[in-house]
Amino acid sequence: TQLLEQSPQFLSIQEGENLTVYCNSSSVFSSLQWYRQEPGEGPVLLVTVVTGGEVKKLKRLTFQFGDARKDSSLHITAAQTGDTGLYLCAGSSKAAGNKLTFGGGTRVLVKP
Amino acid sequence: KAGVTQTPRYLIKTRGQQVTLSCSPISGHRSVSWYQQTPGQGLQFLFEYFSETQRNKGNFPGRFSGRQFSNSRSEMNVSTLELGDSALYLCASSVLAGNSYNEQFFGPGTRLTVL
Repeated sequence: TQLLEQSPQFLSIQEGENLTVYCNSSSVFSSLQWYRQEPGEGPVLLVTVVTGGEVKKLKRLTFQFGDARKDSSLHITAAQTGDTGLYLCAGSSKAAGNKLTFGGGTRVLVKP
Repeated sequence: KAGVTQTPRYLIKTRGQQVTLSCSPISGHRSVSWYQQTPGQGLQFLFEYFSETQRNKGNFPGRFSGRQFSNSRSEMNVSTLELGDSALYLCASSVLAGNSYNEQFFGPGTRLTVL
């Protein structure tokens, strides 16, 4: 069974501060995705990383895939209140039939 | 392009009843997956359908079942409801099952409350 652990589970910061969310596993994934979910809605895909060591930037969000493709991180620079939400990482691998495995999520609260 | 739609959005049932939830994927998406989301367990995979066939299945009891129609629309059914089945049920579609990325596009979910 493939497991993804996210840390921290909850993060509360002031607007303008930076934050980093981690996603770790002992399993290798062929791809790893990050989603953001807001209350009352389904998760929305932010990014997919597929190459070990890959770094992708989406405005103030930076995503990194570990060299061994077992871990990933999401860094937000100068957080805004609109960044508040539940951040979920999800990995897939051919060994698991391409079934997505989700981490437990990190709830981020950005206070004004 | 319209997103994934799920009906109903909210549902209240009592223990022992059964329920059917519906999902319409994004046009052109042939894979539909179902997830259960609860505060304690997070997002858990129920099953995935592609071309009317179940491709993957999570670790849920047989009370949870699903099907997919020829137009890719999908339904999931939960029989003999238990209090612990109260959750947000999310449907997600993707372009093609079997692609190594399996990027999911989620609907807003159906909030099921079992009393």
